[in-house]
Amino acid sequence: QLQLQESGPGLVKPSETLSLTCTVSGGSISSSSYYWGWVRQPPGKGLDYIGSIHYSGSTYFNPSLKSRVTISVDTSNNQFSLKLSSVTAADTAVYYCARGTPYSYWGQGTLVIVSS
Amino acid sequence: EIVLTQSPGTLSLSPGERATLSCRASQSVSSSSLAWYQQKPGQAPRLLISDASSRATGIPDRFSGSGSGTDFTLTISRLEPEDLAVYHCQQYGSSPLTFGQGTKVEIK
Repeated sequence: QLQLQESGPGLVKPSETLSLTCTVSGGSISSSSYYWGWVRQPPGKGLDYIGSIHYSGSTYFNPSLKSRVTISVDTSNNQFSLKLSSVTAADTAVYYCARGTPYSYWGQGTLVIVSS
Repeated sequence: EIVLTQSPGTLSLSPGERATLSCRASQSVSSSSLAWYQQKPGQAPRLLISDASSRATGIPDRFSGSGSGTDFTLTISRLEPEDLAVYHCQQYGSSPLTFGQGTKVEIK
């Protein structure tokens, strides 16, 4: 059974860079044609698409975040990562990693709070 | 980008009743590339429906999806207490992927 697990700091200071990693188990990140994505959910609000990556390195981003987002893949460790720069309080959210299009597998999510 | 508008915002029904949730797109969704997710309190979303009408693995047949173009519907034929959740639609036919704002289903 495929499992995804987000990890990273739960607290980030304003203007700094948020960094999260999604570790995939129960399957290889590079064994299929799936895209691997990041989605976030501000407290009490809906889901926001951040971006996606294929193990080949091909990426898609939400235009509203593109200038601040980097998504990368590490096939040797079966992980993919998110970096979001110059964060503000508006970036406080639960961050999810997920597989596929649409998203058939999700991580449990990790809350990231932006605060000094 | 395609904007998805879900209605109603909240639906309050009794067990056994039929729930009808709407998702309207600002432009036609390519190849009916529309999904529905269920998100229970404190949990990650779960895929219910893909390609507008195909149930995901393990999803009960009381959940059904329909529609094409700009108008899509999720129907829960007989509500059960465990269906208490927020339901999100998502289009994946064009970039960027977009989600609706969600419909909350309450059980009376």
